[in-house]
Parts: sequence; C-alpha cells; structure tokens
Amino acid sequence: EVQLVESGGGLVEPGRSLRLSCAASGLKFYDYAMHWVRQAPGKGLEWVSVISWHSEIIGYADSVKGRFTISRDNAKNSLYLQMDSLRADDTALYYCVKSGGSSPLSENAFDIWGQGTMVTVSS
Amino acid sequence: QTVVTQEPSFSVSPGETVTLTCGLSSGSVSPSYYPSWFRQTPGQAPRTLIYGTNTRSSGVPDRFSGSIVGSKAVLTITGAQADDESDYYCAMYVGGVIRVFGGGTRLTVL
Repeated sequence: EVQLVESGGGLVEPGRSLRLSCAASGLKFYDYAMHWVRQAPGKGLEWVSVISWHSEIIGYADSVKGRFTISRDNAKNSLYLQMDSLRADDTALYYCVKSGGSSPLSENAFDIWGQGTMVTVSS
Repeated sequence: QTVVTQEPSFSVSPGETVTLTCGLSSGSVSPSYYPSWFRQTPGQAPRTLIYGTNTRSSGVPDRFSGSIVGSKAVLTITGAQADDESDYYCAMYVGGVIRVFGGGTRLTVL
C-alpha cells in the first residue's frame, strides 16, 4: 500500500522559515514526479510545486516562486519543501501528492494524497 | 493568469444524476488540459476520482464519469447517494508544468 506521510508543520512567525518533509513508502519513489498542494483553512485546494523523478524539472505557483524550494532524495524516499520568507497567507494544510507518472506533465498529476501537515504563520 | 471555474454549490435529490462543470477563463477546455476531478469530505484528504478527462482512478465506482461537453469539463454522478455529499474539485494543466485547481463545488444531497 502506498503511504505518504508529511511532517515538519507548525507555528512560525512571519518572515521565518520552515522545512516540510514527506516520507513515501510502498512504491518505487524514484519512478514518480511529486507535487505539493495546499489548502488554507476553510478554502479550496491550491497547487504549490512539482518536481520530476530526477529533479531536473521543477515548477512553482506564482504565489510561492522565489520563496519556496522543492527537492527530493530518492535514496531516502523523501520529498521536501523549504519555505522561506513565510507570510500569513501561507497558512494552510500542505499535502504531499504522488503523480501517476515520472514527468510533471503526466495526465494523472495527483494520483495518491498524503494526509497533510499544518503550517500556521502568525506572530 | 488562468482561472478554473466551478459552481460554488449544487443540490441534488437522491437517485438523480448530477453534472458538475469545470471551465477555463482563457477559453474552452480540451483533453490537452488533462482535466481531473477530486472529492473531499470534511477533515479528510482529497481523493482522485477522474484524470485525463475520463479515466477513473482505481477503486472509483462507475457511477462517476468524466467528459468534455461544449467548452467545459464535466463530472457526472449517476444515481446520487447521501454519502456523495462532499466538496468536488477539478484541476487543469495550463502550460509549462503549472496546474490550477478550481474553487470547488459543495454538493448537497437532499
């Protein structure tokens, strides 16, 4: 069974940094592109970032570009999201999502979802 | 910036067929946008229902189907049941590696 377990969320002051992790199991992690998707409290889903299986293709939503950095370690079956210069509107539940293919252009971008980790940005 | 549009809410009676739509501010939806559909109940992570316009994810009942009708992607739920009451989201590939979600539709079955 595929499992995605996010961690690293918490309460952080505006302007500070946080690093999220996603531990994957039950799959050949290196075969798949991975996404981060977030959901602010009471709001809809927002795509955040994607990384290809070999880390050579990366993309970000305009709302996080220049502040967030996605990365992965295939040897550790792990996905990461480094979040810098955090703002109040980054407050959200952050989901790690496995793609159905190795490319960020896969037609099945959001195949399996984790349960999410909550990030709260507040002073 | 491309906006993906969905009905904010929709009501249906049990047993009826419901069609939810997903449109694009930039024009008509085509299969090249890889429209996908997701269902989310309160307190739970989303679950993928449909991808690539009309391919059901593993384990999704065939009561759920996807298509493109006119200029929009459509999710059809045949024979709505009480436990279909959820938030439904669509997402599109809009170019580069960018994906955009719609604002979601809250489906009420009453």
